[in-house]
Amino acid sequence: QKEVEQNSGPLSVPEGAIASLNCTYSDRGSQSFFWYRQYSGKSPELIMSIYSNGDKEDGRFTAQLNKASQYVSLLIRDSQPSDSATYLCAVIKGSARQLTFGSGTQLTVLP
Amino acid sequence: GAVVSQHPSWVICKSGTSVKIECRSLDFQATTMFWYRQFPKQSLMLMATSNEGSKATYEQGVEKDKFLINHASLTLSTLTVTSAHPEDSSFYICSAPGLAGEETQYFGPGTRLLVL
Repeated sequence: QKEVEQNSGPLSVPEGAIASLNCTYSDRGSQSFFWYRQYSGKSPELIMSIYSNGDKEDGRFTAQLNKASQYVSLLIRDSQPSDSATYLCAVIKGSARQLTFGSGTQLTVLP
Repeated sequence: GAVVSQHPSWVICKSGTSVKIECRSLDFQATTMFWYRQFPKQSLMLMATSNEGSKATYEQGVEKDKFLINHASLTLSTLTVTSAHPEDSSFYICSAPGLAGEETQYFGPGTRLLVL
């Protein structure tokens, strides 16, 4: 079982719709959870971080964490073509501050 | 936010040569930096953790004699790919943790290596 799993997609949504990205992790000791966006040929950029159960909203983005289910998700409201990218779920466990990434979900927002 | 730079942004080299990639934290000190490798259509895989003033910690399966890491100062870590081969062609990305107590990592822009 992979430490961090994501649906690889690709996921296509029409402009203005809600895009829902999902991620599960295997280690219950995981403490910090991140969503990164990566455009083709570029390095990842941080979209959201979440550390406690529940929802965290930032603009059009909402991260949801459920530690009991070992599940973290990212919702993108009012999706725009510029949101088209690969979204990487990442987890930190322990004090080493090392990120473990999922395989990424490719999102395409259709104009 | 904090800025991490990498140099060069891309490099083409002949098989058998060595290539050095620099990772710098521009406005903060980083006692730890991370080196990742990303092949096309794949996710980032951690190669090693670079520690200022001490030996790097390599992930399982990463050859430490092939991927030499030096973290000689609080703002610079280097990755040298020795005797590069075409299978080493990849996108190499470094990152550095933010300030103490901050979980965020700041990524460099990446270095694309093509070995002919």
